[in-house]
Amino acid sequence: NAGVTQTPKFQVLKTGQSMTLQCAQDMNHEYMSWYRQDPGMGLRLIHYSVGAGITDQGEVPNGYNVSRSTTEDFPLRLLSAAPSQTSVYFCASSYSGTAASTDTQYFGPGTRLTVL
Amino acid sequence: KNQVEQSPQSLIILEGKNCTLQCNYTVSPFSNLRWYKQDTGRGPVSLTIMTFSENTKSNGRYTATLDADTKQSSLHITASQLSDSASYICVVAGGGNKLTFGTGTQLKVEL
Repeated sequence: NAGVTQTPKFQVLKTGQSMTLQCAQDMNHEYMSWYRQDPGMGLRLIHYSVGAGITDQGEVPNGYNVSRSTTEDFPLRLLSAAPSQTSVYFCASSYSGTAASTDTQYFGPGTRLTVL
Repeated sequence: KNQVEQSPQSLIILEGKNCTLQCNYTVSPFSNLRWYKQDTGRGPVSLTIMTFSENTKSNGRYTATLDADTKQSSLHITASQLSDSASYICVVAGGGNKLTFGTGTQLKVEL
């Protein structure tokens, strides 16, 4: 099992450019989510999905779009990049998305994004 | 407001020594508490998950404790190794099906 994979590992964008961060998992997990990690702050939830075709907003969704056409893939799209979106982005997956669940949440290696 | 506070912010210890990291939370209602290890440049990796009824849980040299009455948890690392150098993140689940992440304790183990 490759677990959770993310591409690219690093990316530099100019303000206004768009791009897609890729995330895939091979554990047949229904729940997938995107977080951003900024210095001095805890991970913050951007968007999540409880299964193919179902997505919802997290804590900081503005400026980002997601879709879930398959169980395996959950791409994150930046529509018009802004310097405030400079961050490290992590994709995660788990069998269940319920907070009360004790299922292990697996994180990808992250994408470090810089917006100039 | 749901909050998770971790202390200390950073810690340096000598290889072979023990250390304890603290986590205080105000998340309500409480579902479970998780500890993650995050190596530099990598994603977080789960160490332990504890529910309300569990007050201690071990994973090798890592032992987590939970006091749900005082809303405190600790992560004890025994006989530290250089590979333990990482950020340790406390996460509390609850408060409306949400995960609240702490900002982490940065641990450095030196020779």
